[in-house]
Amino acid sequence: DAKTTQPPSMDCAEGRAANLPCNHSTISGNEYVYWYRQIHSQGPQYIIHGLKNNETNEMASLIITEDRKSSTLILPHATLRDTAVYYCIVRANNAGNMLTFGGGTRLMVKP
Amino acid sequence: DSGVTQTPKHLITATGQRVTLRCSPRSGDLSVYWYQQSLDQGLQFLIQYYNGEERAKGNILERFSAQQFPDLHSELNLSSLELGDSALYFCASSGFGQTDTQYFGPGTRLTVL
Repeated sequence: DAKTTQPPSMDCAEGRAANLPCNHSTISGNEYVYWYRQIHSQGPQYIIHGLKNNETNEMASLIITEDRKSSTLILPHATLRDTAVYYCIVRANNAGNMLTFGGGTRLMVKP
Repeated sequence: DSGVTQTPKHLITATGQRVTLRCSPRSGDLSVYWYQQSLDQGLQFLIQYYNGEERAKGNILERFSAQQFPDLHSELNLSSLELGDSALYFCASSGFGQTDTQYFGPGTRLTVL
């Protein structure tokens, strides 16, 4: 699986958009970009995933660059409850299907 | 609520003991995954089962084993426990498609004294 690089921490003001970057310069053509978050010690929560096109759901938007070497997760109006560790994961398209978690980005939303 | 359930929520035991962690996947999901999260290692994949059969193995110790039953629930057995086995253990489930999303349970916190 391709490795990902994320900043270890970020701050965001409540109500503002949180833009979390992820670098995955060695991504292969059939690898998807997944985002999960973990609040305190709860189970990781699925947010969104994409292959090439930008994606949006009720939680967030995912912007993938045209060369697919990086992506940005956007939380449009961050709230205090969005404070969490956010993991960007590139997953190989094989039978194993396991997720390889890195260190993630600790997002702190401040009032 | 992801639909994945895990029991127990907390487990405290002594070194050398054996414990069993239980996971019930989301309705309709055939794949179950086990992950370990310790303070110094982060979230690590242990093992995957699909419809009762082992599909993939990660960094799982020989003292650990798992199985998936006909009703698709899974159990992770940890034996000869050591202090370093203290961690959060998460179960996740998914369908079988190559891009099927994994949904995680709330975890079991194991403390070995």
